[in-house]
Amino acid sequence: RKEVEQDPGPFNVPEGATVAFNCTYSNSASQSFFWYRQDCRKEPKLLMSVYSSGNEDGRFTAQLNRASQYISLLIRDSKLSDSATYLCVVNNPGNQFYFGTGTSLTVIP
Amino acid sequence: SAVISQKPSRDICQRGTSLTIQCQVDSQVTMMFWYRQQPGQSLTLIATANQGSEATYESGFVIDKFPISRPNLTFSTLTVSNMSPEDSSIYLCSVNRAGYEQFFGPGTRLTVL
Repeated sequence: RKEVEQDPGPFNVPEGATVAFNCTYSNSASQSFFWYRQDCRKEPKLLMSVYSSGNEDGRFTAQLNRASQYISLLIRDSKLSDSATYLCVVNNPGNQFYFGTGTSLTVIP
Repeated sequence: SAVISQKPSRDICQRGTSLTIQCQVDSQVTMMFWYRQQPGQSLTLIATANQGSEATYESGFVIDKFPISRPNLTFSTLTVSNMSPEDSSIYLCSVNRAGYEQFFGPGTRLTVL
């Protein structure tokens, strides 16, 4: 079983739409959780961390459900510049990061 | 944040040859990580490079194929040995500060003919 599983998409949404990505992880001992963004032909960069209480950063909201081992990312009022691949990432004991396959988002004018 | 550079940025190599990729970090770090990202795929951890000890390899990756050096706290190399077209990929090194965010180098785009 993969450490992290994501729906690869692609998601094609119009500007202004709300889109949600989901992710599950297999290791109940996973310690920290993140969403990374990867633009085409670029390295991944941190978008936001995910906390049990849920956290929001502008148009982006991340949620963590430890009981279900489930992570989500919600993007409101999508912009063209949000088009990218979004990677779900977990940090397991031993400080090892595992990446999901990524979810591709295209925001259409 | 961390500033990471990699060399070469890209290369085209012949089957059966080897390529060594260099990774330089702007400050001292305990652990450095090497990832592979095959076309259309996400990142797969190859190994963790610790200074002063042998690298720790993930399942499916072996030292003979991917030897790693870590001579000091700011530098590491990954060699892709006896290459085949299946090794065509982007190779990224990364570092992790205080068990938190991973910072990535710009990657090395390898094509094996």
